[in-house]
Amino acid sequence: EAGVAQSPRYKIIEKRQSVAFWCNPISGHATLYWYQQILGQGPKLLIQFQNNGVVDDSQLPKDRFSAERLKGVDSTLKIQPAKLEDSAVYLCASSLLRTGGRDTQYFGPGTRLTVL
Amino acid sequence: RKEVEQDPGPFNVPEGATVAFNCTYSNSASQSFFWYRQDCRKEPKLLMSVYSSGNEDGRFTAQLNRASQYISLLIRDSKLSDSATYLCVVIMDSSYKLIFGSGTRLLVRP
Repeated sequence: EAGVAQSPRYKIIEKRQSVAFWCNPISGHATLYWYQQILGQGPKLLIQFQNNGVVDDSQLPKDRFSAERLKGVDSTLKIQPAKLEDSAVYLCASSLLRTGGRDTQYFGPGTRLTVL
Repeated sequence: RKEVEQDPGPFNVPEGATVAFNCTYSNSASQSFFWYRQDCRKEPKLLMSVYSSGNEDGRFTAQLNRASQYISLLIRDSKLSDSATYLCVVIMDSSYKLIFGSGTRLLVRP
């Protein structure tokens, strides 16, 4: 079974530029998550989708970050404009259903963003 | 106070040693608990869930102490391949949102 796919794997941009990341979850997984992991910290949830609807975006900096999952399958996360503090690994995860809290989340390899 | 706190380590142990990590959480209403493993420059992967009665998976034992609000992970007979960062994860409420600790780094030396 194919895992969660993400692209690009690495991205280097200058501050104030825009960047977009793409994620394709495991086939059939209804729930998709975007996390930000800053060096030395654990992943922090940015946004959670259930099919094509947003379940939780309380920690998404909406002035510069946006995400969509239009057809309930793959998703795009955008940063516009980027700041130095956005340098991090952006992880996408998916799970089959949002039930009971014990539904395993499977992570993609991440996109490592460096903002200069 | 952080929602989930871990000792960052590193814990540097010889092969064959037994090592234990603790993790504390702030919300007494937390519902579910997990340990994830993250290798250097890789994504996190679920290691094991933590149940109230404690649970074991081979060389790994996880325990939950609700009264003191901590969970623990014990690794027996450490292998070189156990070298990684171990992330403590808590689900606080019915939102099912995973809250990650910053991780504890383990180095197993020959």
